Amino acid sequence: GQQLNQSPQSMFIQEGEDVSMNCTSSSIFNTWLWYKQDPGEGPVLLIALYKAGELTSNGRLTAQFGITRKDSFLNISASIPSDVGIYFCAGRNYGGATNKLIFGTGTLLAVQP
Amino acid sequence: NAGVTQTPKFRVLKTGQSMTLLCAQDMNHEYMYWYRQDPGMGLRLIHYSVGEGTTAKGEVPDGYNVSRLKKQNFLLGLESAAPSQTSVYFCASSLTLYEQYFGPGTRLTVT
Repeated sequence: GQQLNQSPQSMFIQEGEDVSMNCTSSSIFNTWLWYKQDPGEGPVLLIALYKAGELTSNGRLTAQFGITRKDSFLNISASIPSDVGIYFCAGRNYGGATNKLIFGTGTLLAVQP
Repeated sequence: NAGVTQTPKFRVLKTGQSMTLLCAQDMNHEYMYWYRQDPGMGLRLIHYSVGEGTTAKGEVPDGYNVSRLKKQNFLLGLESAAPSQTSVYFCASSLTLYEQYFGPGTRLTVT
């Protein structure tokens, strides 16, 4: 099935550093979502984006809906140890008849205190 | 408000056995979904429902059946388990066509 290209696959950073990750698609999306998954838990919704160019923040997290509608970006500022986890992007095809979300393969974030 | 709950949390089956996974949501959401998560494969949609009494196939429906007899519950059944169905199963629900909220997952091993 179709998947989104999410990069990087993993990141190992020091506490306090900023983090950037992105997601790209070959098709146009009308919705981008960013989730975080802690070990042994289900994904938790962080940010939802609905308009091209939209920039939305949630605490230290900021996400943007790319103007081409084919990409999205997530930034985490001043990382802390509890930011550790896997971050997934998800998008919904423009004009899709169902509520099917397409998920990226995730970015594993490790933060060293 | 418990959100989305799943039972059981863990299960080990032998090949050929059957089981049912239960998903419940208390958010009055119309849409419910079942996903499986495998290493390197991300989340793949098995089946979904757009309302009570409705079900539809997702990306990987073979070997699974579902039922949505009540709005708040979505059941996933494995009629004859196979080792290829070893995975982590997540249920999700949504009010609109956009934001999905996930349960904590069920870890299933088929030997």
